[in-house]
Amino acid sequence: DQQVKQNSPSLSVQEGRISILNCDYTNSMFDYFLWYKKYPAEGPTFLISISSIKDKNEDGRFTVFLNKSAKHLSLHIVPSQPGDSAVYFCAAWGMEYGNKLVFGAGTILRVKS
Amino acid sequence: EPEVTQTPSHQVTQMGQEVILRCVPISNHLYFYWYRQILGQKVEFLVSFYNNEISEKSEIFDDQFSVERPDGSNFTLKIRSTKLEDSAMYFCASSEERPNSPLHFGNGTRLTVT
Repeated sequence: DQQVKQNSPSLSVQEGRISILNCDYTNSMFDYFLWYKKYPAEGPTFLISISSIKDKNEDGRFTVFLNKSAKHLSLHIVPSQPGDSAVYFCAAWGMEYGNKLVFGAGTILRVKS
Repeated sequence: EPEVTQTPSHQVTQMGQEVILRCVPISNHLYFYWYRQILGQKVEFLVSFYNNEISEKSEIFDDQFSVERPDGSNFTLKIRSTKLEDSAMYFCASSEERPNSPLHFGNGTRLTVT
């Protein structure tokens, strides 16, 4: 049951460049999408979210884009910093789907200095 | 900043033993959750808890699992008879309202069943 998919297990980016993390979903009932960041030995930390009625949300260096027709969202980090190196999880929630977040498998981002 | 705390950070147990994983959610939060992540796999939903009862549970959350909020602050996950495949990181989370309000996660308990 892969309702939220992150097809790239890892991504390597040079410091200062843009990081683009992608996520696809299959359930059109999802209402909100969230990105979480996870460092080793820590729990996931909320980063940014977007409602299904929007197509873009920006917070500092982080921007999330949502393409509902393609059932695709992406997280842009610009400029990337070495401290951004972590696992990034895409997650989705839908009122019709129940009281839970559904997570993707995660993408390991490595920002090289 | 308030945070979710989990104890212990690492629990080793023998197959068939009972374990209790403990969590202290953020004090003014209303929804509580347990998730787990088996090594190398995705973060999986186990159960959500609201108003002193389970509001939703996954297929993973079978009769061997139970949750409890024994007092006003603690939230526990009990596994009655552990199996090897229960080895995972278990994350507790809480949120103010619905999950479209961000979940705040603890740092997890690494459960190792031998």
